[in-house]
Amino acid sequence: QVTLKESGPALVKPTQTLTLTCTFSGFSLMTTRMRVSWIRQPPGKALEWLARIDWDDDKFYSTSLKTRLTISKDTSKNQVVLTMTNMDPVDTATYYCARTTEYFDYWGQGNLVTVSS
Amino acid sequence: QSALTQPRSVSGSPGQSVTISCTGTSSDVGGYNYVSWYQQHPGKAPKLMIYDVSKRPSGVPDRFSGSKSGNTASLTISGLQAEDEADYYCCSYAGSYTLGYVFGTGTKVTVL
Repeated sequence: QVTLKESGPALVKPTQTLTLTCTFSGFSLMTTRMRVSWIRQPPGKALEWLARIDWDDDKFYSTSLKTRLTISKDTSKNQVVLTMTNMDPVDTATYYCARTTEYFDYWGQGNLVTVSS
Repeated sequence: QSALTQPRSVSGSPGQSVTISCTGTSSDVGGYNYVSWYQQHPGKAPKLMIYDVSKRPSGVPDRFSGSKSGNTASLTISGLQAEDEADYYCCSYAGSYTLGYVFGTGTKVTVL
């Protein structure tokens, strides 16, 4: 059974760095073709893909956000970490992690992050 | 990267069929047979309904079907049921070294 769960702060201040952790089970990021992505959704708005990390440690980022994002993995803990720098109120959103191929087949429940002073 | 274009809303009566369009470009929808569709109920995480344009994951009713022509993909829900009322998002893979993944603007399906 594949599960993913996001964890991190519910509130961050403008200019701070956000760190989110995705803890998963039911698959291994050491297995060929396994990948995990981060996706976000502002309240009432559409989904937006942010970043992806692959089994071979290849990393890919949204072109519009790549200067602010870093994705990493800890295969021993079955975790993927996303950091986003210089947070702004427009970054207020629910952040999801999802197992990835050319689509997203399993999703976490999401972590709502509000950016406010 | 620009979002894929979907109608804001569609509606139908129980038992009817509705179709949601998803229009992109030759760099995303038209360039890859990797269109997927997600259903999202309020307050819930998205759920994969269609992948690789027209394939259904195990457990998804065959009332849901997908297709693609050129730069436009479509999701059809046949035999509409009350539980199908939700938001639906399309997504296209657009190349790992280029745009990554592009989502649609989302469509609210209302069952009258």
